[in-house]
Amino acid sequence: RKEVEQDPGPFNVPEGATVAFNCTYSNSASQSFFWYRQDCRKEPKLLMSVYSSGNEDGRFTAQLNRASQYISLLIRDSKLSDSATYLCVVNLNSSASKIIFGSGTRLSIRP
Amino acid sequence: DADVTQTPRNRITKTGKRIMLECSQTKGHDRMYWYRQDPGLGLRLIYYSFDVKDINKGEISDGYSVSRQAQAKFSLSLESAIPNQTALYFCATSDPGLGDGNQPQHFGDGTRLSIL
Repeated sequence: RKEVEQDPGPFNVPEGATVAFNCTYSNSASQSFFWYRQDCRKEPKLLMSVYSSGNEDGRFTAQLNRASQYISLLIRDSKLSDSATYLCVVNLNSSASKIIFGSGTRLSIRP
Repeated sequence: DADVTQTPRNRITKTGKRIMLECSQTKGHDRMYWYRQDPGLGLRLIYYSFDVKDINKGEISDGYSVSRQAQAKFSLSLESAIPNQTALYFCATSDPGLGDGNQPQHFGDGTRLSIL
């Protein structure tokens, strides 16, 4: 089993739709969690950290479920500019030496 | 100017050649990382350094070496390149901050490397 697993997609949704991705992780001792966004042929960029209590940043909501070992990302009122690959990132220890990137979920927003 | 700069941006070379990829940063971060990204796979850690005198192997260090010349510079070398090292390479930095491991990483633009 992969340490971090994501549905590769692609998710193809109309503009304005709500879309959600999940990411599962295998190590129950995982310390911290992030969502990154990567545009085609570009570098990953931090979208948001994921906190235990869940957190929201505008149209984006991230949640952590430690019992079931997954994190989720919800995008509301999707825009064309949200088209990208979304990477789930899990830090397995406190020294940042064991950071695992998921292979990404591709999202395409159509007009 | 970019906070994390990688050179070259693209490189095509032949099997057996020695190649160096360079990374410099103006963020003042102590921690620097080298990753490779292959289609369908997540980024995989090659080497990381938490300060100038600290070098650590990552998940896939075989065939690679690194040098941390200064806080701001971290270079990756392929001593004798082989075709399966063809990939997109990223340098990243992070600041340990108050909570180790809880700080996000900041990436350079990437180096697209092709080994023929």
